[in-house]
Amino acid sequence: GENVEQHPSTLSVQEGDSAVIKCTYSDSASNYFPWYKQELGKRPQLIIDIRSNVGEKKDQRIAVTLNKTAKHFSLHITETQPEDSAVYFCAAYSGAGSYQLTFGKGTKLSVIP
Amino acid sequence: DTEVTQTPKHLVMGMTNKKSLKCEQHMGHRAMYWYKQKAKKPPELMFVYSYEKLSINESVPSRFSPECPNSSLLNLHLHALQPEDSALYLCASSHSRTGGDTQYFGPGTRLTVL
Repeated sequence: GENVEQHPSTLSVQEGDSAVIKCTYSDSASNYFPWYKQELGKRPQLIIDIRSNVGEKKDQRIAVTLNKTAKHFSLHITETQPEDSAVYFCAAYSGAGSYQLTFGKGTKLSVIP
Repeated sequence: DTEVTQTPKHLVMGMTNKKSLKCEQHMGHRAMYWYKQKAKKPPELMFVYSYEKLSINESVPSRFSPECPNSSLLNLHLHALQPEDSALYLCASSHSRTGGDTQYFGPGTRLTVL
């Protein structure tokens, strides 16, 4: 089955700096890669996603890049703000067989004012 | 309506109790999911319903019993739970199961088993 590795597990940045979270996946058939943000005590919320036919996608301060050859994808947050502090989960969806999301272990991002 | 709702928000139950968790969506989604999430861990898939039929059961103990009465509703019946079952139970839905569609999560039910 699919295996998703996520790094780092914790990340502290100064407000205004950029944050980068990296994930690797194992199943070359995976074709959909969402990123979820989960604030303490709240539901995971989709913040951005990318499909395997696209190399990069951007939404205001958030961007995701995908390297299918290397089987890794990354989340980039620019001009970080204190409200970006949360746990971020990457996930990979395998379109062959399992038809389910496999999550990374999460990254706790702290933005220091 | 673009939201998944869950009731109750919090539930405390003893090991001999029977209770149910409820999930509802009105987005016309045909796939619905139950996840279990322990503190500081990612969501862990329990069950998947596709077109109201159970399509995935991730080796979940029989003390958890899912039910999908119709395309908008998903229940999780709980019986004889153990303290280690205490967790946040999340419901999610997506347009379909096979298309890599976005999964939208409900707010969860915080379950405590005494």
